[in-house]
Amino acid sequence: QSVPTQPPSTSGAPGQRVVISCSGDDSNIGTKYVSWYQHLPGAAPRVIIYNDDQRPSGVPDRFSASKSGASASLAISGLRSEDEGDYYCASWDDTVTGFWVFGGGTRLTVL
Amino acid sequence: QVQLVQSGAEVKKPGASVKVACKPSGYTFSKFGLHWVRLAPGQGPEWMGWINAGYGHTKYSHKFQDRLTITRDTFATTAYMELSGLTSEDTAVYYCARASGDSGPRDWLDSWGRGTLVTVS
Repeated sequence: QSVPTQPPSTSGAPGQRVVISCSGDDSNIGTKYVSWYQHLPGAAPRVIIYNDDQRPSGVPDRFSASKSGASASLAISGLRSEDEGDYYCASWDDTVTGFWVFGGGTRLTVL
Repeated sequence: QVQLVQSGAEVKKPGASVKVACKPSGYTFSKFGLHWVRLAPGQGPEWMGWINAGYGHTKYSHKFQDRLTITRDTFATTAYMELSGLTSEDTAVYYCARASGDSGPRDWLDSWGRGTLVTVS
């Protein structure tokens, strides 16, 4: 079972832009939709991107995402202190009997 | 407003079983699937399985299929996740999450509960 690879941490100053990468393979990201989840301290996780690049209602347009081949990325512009937390990419994986696979997560620190 | 309320924290001995409840509100229970995901310290989330809340069909991750049972009670509009044969490696926060539709387990996870801490010690 291969887990999509994310950088363990990233950081940026308020107002800056950060990009979080997520590298999978053809059994998941390369052929299936990607979603991104935000997990802030003390809160329930929430979806911020679904179907590769779609934002649910209520998610600010500071959050955007893209995908190319088996790699995806999440961009957060205009960083705010309340963005500090963990971010996970996820995709369905067709190997074995099929399952959702999540990246290891990226801890975002707002300096 | 969609909310998923989960049962409280549990402490279990190795070899025991745990059953976590998830009670959604704010939508028609039978119209959406429900996923179960766990998050262990220092690791990424791990998908465990899914249930179609209307018909009760389930899909389990191959990793858990021998000791995981996901059920639902349509009258109580509550879903349950039961994991047996617990070891210390099962210590984690367990989340239920509403699926984005009722098409199947590939529906993405659109609303999450706040999690239930299960400690095996």
